[in-house]
Amino acid sequence: AQKITQTQPGMFVQEKEAVTLDCTYDTSDPSYGLFWYKQPSSGEMIFLIYQGSYDQQNATEGRYSLNFQKARKSANLVISASQLGDSAMYFCAMREGATGANNLFFGTGTRLTVIP
Amino acid sequence: DAGVIQSPRHEVTEMGQEVTLRCKPISGHNSLFWYRQTMMRGLELLIYFNNNVPIDDSGMPEDRFSAKMPNASFSTLKIQPSEPRDSAVYFCASSPLGSSYNEQFFGPGTRLTVL
Repeated sequence: AQKITQTQPGMFVQEKEAVTLDCTYDTSDPSYGLFWYKQPSSGEMIFLIYQGSYDQQNATEGRYSLNFQKARKSANLVISASQLGDSAMYFCAMREGATGANNLFFGTGTRLTVIP
Repeated sequence: DAGVIQSPRHEVTEMGQEVTLRCKPISGHNSLFWYRQTMMRGLELLIYFNNNVPIDDSGMPEDRFSAKMPNASFSTLKIQPSEPRDSAVYFCASSPLGSSYNEQFFGPGTRLTVL
């Protein structure tokens, strides 16, 4: 079974609008971390936001917020006030385990296009 | 901080040739990861090291691939002999060990083309 599922291959959003990118995960480990990365056309992987499985509140970083619904095993990324520079691939990822540098499992990504 | 450094950024080689990709992790980071990204398979972990010791190499495709980390500041990924299906972007990432946060910092990647 896939550990990370991103069901939206592509999304479009009007500039200045908000957009939600979906991510569901599958793990039996009670301790895990969820990450979102952005990959622009230049190719680098840019860390956006992190949510720990025991965090009580949803993570926020500027215009990025993570809608964490533990019972549903979802970790959707919300981008508010979209900008043209937000056009990129977005990857959801999960680390299993409390500490230690365990590897990340990545989803297949969602390509976001911001329309002027 | 210079971030994770990878070299070369682009590599074009012919089938059968040896290819060596290099990575310098962020100073102080104890964990190093090699990933491969292709259109067909997305991002896949190849191998990762903790304190220079390989922990999980189950993602290494076959014996043609090998990775070393002789010290805390340098790692190599070698493909010998290379094949066209090895064409991909290879990312190196590093992370501080023992942190509950465990964000992985990615290098810019090496785009490998095997003709």
